Amino acid sequence: QLQLQESGPGLVKPSETLSLTCIVSGVSISSSNYHWGWIRQPPGKGLEWIGSMYYSGSTYYNPSLKSRVTISVDTSKNQLSLKLSSVTAADTAVYHCASVSPDNYWGQGTLVIVSS
Amino acid sequence: DVVMTQSPLSLPVTLGQPASISCRSNQSLVYSDGITYLNWFQQRPGQSPRRLIYKVSYRDSGVPDRFSGSGSDTDFTLKISRVEAEDVGVYYCMQGTHWPYSFGQGTKLEIK
Repeated sequence: QLQLQESGPGLVKPSETLSLTCIVSGVSISSSNYHWGWIRQPPGKGLEWIGSMYYSGSTYYNPSLKSRVTISVDTSKNQLSLKLSSVTAADTAVYHCASVSPDNYWGQGTLVIVSS
Repeated sequence: DVVMTQSPLSLPVTLGQPASISCRSNQSLVYSDGITYLNWFQQRPGQSPRRLIYKVSYRDSGVPDRFSGSGSDTDFTLKISRVEAEDVGVYYCMQGTHWPYSFGQGTKLEIK
């Protein structure tokens, strides 16, 4: 069964870059027809789609974050990465990676707090 | 961007009774391939979201058949035929037709 596990620093200083990784197991991250995503959820609030990466390598970013976001894959480690630059307190959230299709699986999420 | 609006935002339900959540979008969710990419997620307390329904009415594997989805174009509904204690949580609709994908505000289901 496909599993995803996010990891990264739990605390990031304002103006710095948030970097998270998502280790994927149970399927090759470069498998055909797979669509991967990053989603975040501020504490006590709703869900926001950050961006997606398709098996072809195409990426799509939420325009609200586009200038600050980079999603990439490392096929040798079978992992997905997220970088969000120039963070502020508004970026404090639980960050989830997910397999969007063909099957929908989510990691447990990792809380990132932006604070000095 | 597509705005997804759910109602109600709070849903107290008696065990064994039905429940219904509405989700409306501000534009059609029919994609160019003719498919409507409307999903429903359940988020139990302290857990990650779990998809229940995809493409309006298809249940994910392992989802009890008391959950059903319906609707078309801009108007969608999630129904629970008989609420059980394990159904407590927040339910989100989500559109995957237009970029950026977007979620509704969430509906918190609780037991009366």
